[in-house]
Amino acid sequence: GAVVSQHPSRVICKSGTSVKIECRSLDFQATTMFWYRQFPKQSLMLMATSNEGSKATYEQGVEKDKFLINHASLTLSTLTVTSAHPEDSSFYICSARDPGRGWNQPQHFGDGTRLSIL
Amino acid sequence: AQSVAQPEDQVNVAEGNPLTVKCTYSVSGNPYLFWYVQYPNRGLQFLLKYITGDNLVKGSYGFEAEFNKSQTSFHLKKPSALVSDSALYFCAVRGSTGGGADGLTFGKGTHLIIQP
Repeated sequence: GAVVSQHPSRVICKSGTSVKIECRSLDFQATTMFWYRQFPKQSLMLMATSNEGSKATYEQGVEKDKFLINHASLTLSTLTVTSAHPEDSSFYICSARDPGRGWNQPQHFGDGTRLSIL
Repeated sequence: AQSVAQPEDQVNVAEGNPLTVKCTYSVSGNPYLFWYVQYPNRGLQFLLKYITGDNLVKGSYGFEAEFNKSQTSFHLKKPSALVSDSALYFCAVRGSTGGGADGLTFGKGTHLIIQP
């Protein structure tokens, strides 16, 4: 089945640092990937839709300059949290859907990245 | 805009008993509904989906869900619970609150605890 890989699994860094998270589709090409954020004991909130070769589409309330998304190839999307602060600490999860299997296929999720800003 | 409600924060079931995890939804247009399971510090695993067709959908690990259009519900069920089913379960509908067509809107999740 479709596999989505996310790296790193955990990051701990100082306030003011920029952090990059990678999301890769391992056995399919994904023109679209999705980035979610999950607060402790809460649900996942869609942050943005990453589009290969074009700008990402951000959800309302998500700061574009804070969360930079780059989808430079059909198998890789990156999320960069710029000048991270403690309130950015969260669990970030990416997902992708295999377009080659039809429009009604489910999204497949990476294992997430636990970001902790000190 | 889409929304999903999971009214129970936690469901406790004895091993071997049937289980139900509730989900109701609100969408404009046809609903595309999903159930995912999450284990601690992991991403989500797909269980099943409803796009169209039969109201009873069968999925992974013996789970099934019943789509009820009149009640706008999509409850997750399993005839006989296993201890290993203990996890966090999310119901989701395709479409985001921001209007994106393809992202998912999730319920808040339900902790399922299966007691030996």
